Amino acid sequence: DTGVSQNPRHKITKRGQNVTFRCDPISEHNRLYWYRQTLGQGPEFLTYFQNEAQLEKSRLLSDRFSAERPKGSFSTLEIQRTEQGDSAMYLCASNAVGGQPQHFGDGTRLSIL
Amino acid sequence: DQQVKQNSPSLSVQEGRISILNCDYTNSMFDYFLWYKKYPAEGPTFLISISSIKDKNEDGRFTVFLNKSAKHLSLHIVPSQPGDSAVYFCAASSTLQGAQKLVFGQGTRLTINP
Repeated sequence: DTGVSQNPRHKITKRGQNVTFRCDPISEHNRLYWYRQTLGQGPEFLTYFQNEAQLEKSRLLSDRFSAERPKGSFSTLEIQRTEQGDSAMYLCASNAVGGQPQHFGDGTRLSIL
Repeated sequence: DQQVKQNSPSLSVQEGRISILNCDYTNSMFDYFLWYKKYPAEGPTFLISISSIKDKNEDGRFTVFLNKSAKHLSLHIVPSQPGDSAVYFCAASSTLQGAQKLVFGQGTRLTINP
């Protein structure tokens, strides 16, 4: 039983570049979530999908951020024109409809130079 | 506004003793609460949860208590073991306000001393 998989584990980029992260949820889970965690804080909700539909977006998700889940399986999170404040750990989680809890991947750590 | 608060950034407990981690919340609409454990360089791992219709849930060495009137929950670990050393997050969600969105506290770093 594989868990939630996130790639890459670490991304270093220059300010102003675009970055894309991938999340592969647990195979039978149809709900997928993105969170962001900064140092010393708990994870903060960004957005979630049920199958391929994006059902909720946080106000934290500025227009530079876009998330997709085209076939209801894996998801991508893209950040355009990265800024210093985007440096954080980006976590993906999944669960099944009607089921808690959310199961998390190990995250992608983004570092902006 | 911080809807879920863990006021103790760190806690140190002797091996074999009880560890008590605390969490307060402000949103009275929260009706489901969870505790996650996080090791360095790993994602949060689910530990235990409780619905607002209960005031206690137990799973092995872990027990979560919920006091709705005080908007307070706590996690008891007994006996504490060295492998319990990690950062612990409490989280909450509301069925009416988007059941799937978890709101996390800032975390408490638990250190178990041999």
